[in-house]
Amino acid sequence: KAGVTQTPRYLIKTRGQQVTLSCSPISGHRSVSWYQQTPGQGLQFLFEYFSETQRNKGNFPGRFSGRQFSNSRSEMNVSTLELGDSALYLCASRRNTALNTEAFFGQGTRLTVV
Amino acid sequence: DQQVKQNSPSLSVQEGRISILNCDYTNSMFDYFLWYKKYPAEGPTFLISISSIKDKNEDGRFTVFLNKSAKHLSLHIVPSQPGDSAVYFCAASVLTDSWGKLQFGAGTQVVVTP
Repeated sequence: KAGVTQTPRYLIKTRGQQVTLSCSPISGHRSVSWYQQTPGQGLQFLFEYFSETQRNKGNFPGRFSGRQFSNSRSEMNVSTLELGDSALYLCASRRNTALNTEAFFGQGTRLTVV
Repeated sequence: DQQVKQNSPSLSVQEGRISILNCDYTNSMFDYFLWYKKYPAEGPTFLISISSIKDKNEDGRFTVFLNKSAKHLSLHIVPSQPGDSAVYFCAASVLTDSWGKLQFGAGTQVVVTP
């Protein structure tokens, strides 16, 4: 069974540019969440999508957005990139939003903003 | 505002001994707690969880203890093995909220020495 797939694995962008990251959840999983990991900050929740609807959003500026498609694949977009956006972006999928449903993480996309 | 705190950024332990990782939280609404393990270049993998209705949960070499009055949980790994060397994240959530919104601590790097 394939795991959560995130593309690309590594990305270098310039300040001011925008970037789109992709996440393909495990087959049959309908919930996708995004997290930002920076040194010393742990994983910060960005947003969660279920059935193409954003269910919850973390404390990030409006430059961070996302969407989910009918096949449950999700994309997140960051516009007007800042140096501080350099981080590992992790996607996690769950079968549904029921209690005790384990989240499976992808390997992440390492974004470097220069 | 860091609602989940792991105050020890690193821990070194001898193989065969017990590893004890600590985690404190500030939000009394949290009612579900999880531990994730992360190797470099991989996404976090779920280890063990505990609901606030329990004070202990055990799974093989891993045991999680929850002290609700102190808003403290700990993960015990017995016996520690070299393969346990990784970063361990404590996470918490409010089950009546979105399951996807996990609040993570900053992580503890565990090194198991021979």
